[in-house]
Amino acid sequence: EVQLVQSGAEMKKPGESLNISCRCSGYSFTTYWIGWVRQMPGKGLEWMGIIYPGDSDIRYSPSFQGQVTVSADKSISTAYLQWSSLKASDTAMYYCARRSDHGDPTAYDIWGQGTMITVSS
Amino acid sequence: QSALTQPASVSGSSGQSITISCTGTNSDVGAYDYVSWYQHHPGKAPKLIIYDVNKRPSGVSNHFSGSKSGNTASLTISGLQAEDEADYYCCSYARSSREFGGGTRVFGGGTKLTVL
Repeated sequence: EVQLVQSGAEMKKPGESLNISCRCSGYSFTTYWIGWVRQMPGKGLEWMGIIYPGDSDIRYSPSFQGQVTVSADKSISTAYLQWSSLKASDTAMYYCARRSDHGDPTAYDIWGQGTMITVSS
Repeated sequence: QSALTQPASVSGSSGQSITISCTGTNSDVGAYDYVSWYQHHPGKAPKLIIYDVNKRPSGVSNHFSGSKSGNTASLTISGLQAEDEADYYCCSYARSSREFGGGTRVFGGGTKLTVL
């Protein structure tokens, strides 16, 4: 079974760093893009960026470039989303998702369960 | 990149059909046949229901259908069922600068579907 399992909820203070993970199983990790999507409380979905674990090719949304870092560790089939200095406005649910092999770059067929990040002093 | 425009809410009675619009520009929806739709029940992960404007993934009910005309894509749900009550999001590929690989993705603001 194809699964994306994300790390658990986090409560952090402004200025702290954070690294959340997305462990992928049941398929060849290096041959599918993994994307990240944000959903702020009461708001819609926002596409943040995407990584191809096979060669670490990374694309960011212009809105998130410089705000977060996407990475992956092929040895443990895990993708990461990192912040060096959190802000209260980073409070949101974050999803990882596998881009499907249909060809449509907007199609994500398998999603993680989401990781809730709360940033508050 | 601005979010695509969707109605905030739509409603319909069980058994009826509804259509949700998703309006963009000639840099996103109008430029590419890459529009997908997601169903999102609160507390659960989003589910892909349409890709490539009008294709359904395996296992998705055929009472979901997609289309596009110009800068507007549409999702039609026929024969509404109680379990269709959810938030729906469109997503389009969009032009971007070479710095961002030449393309990005943009979601719509989401539409809350209520089944009466």
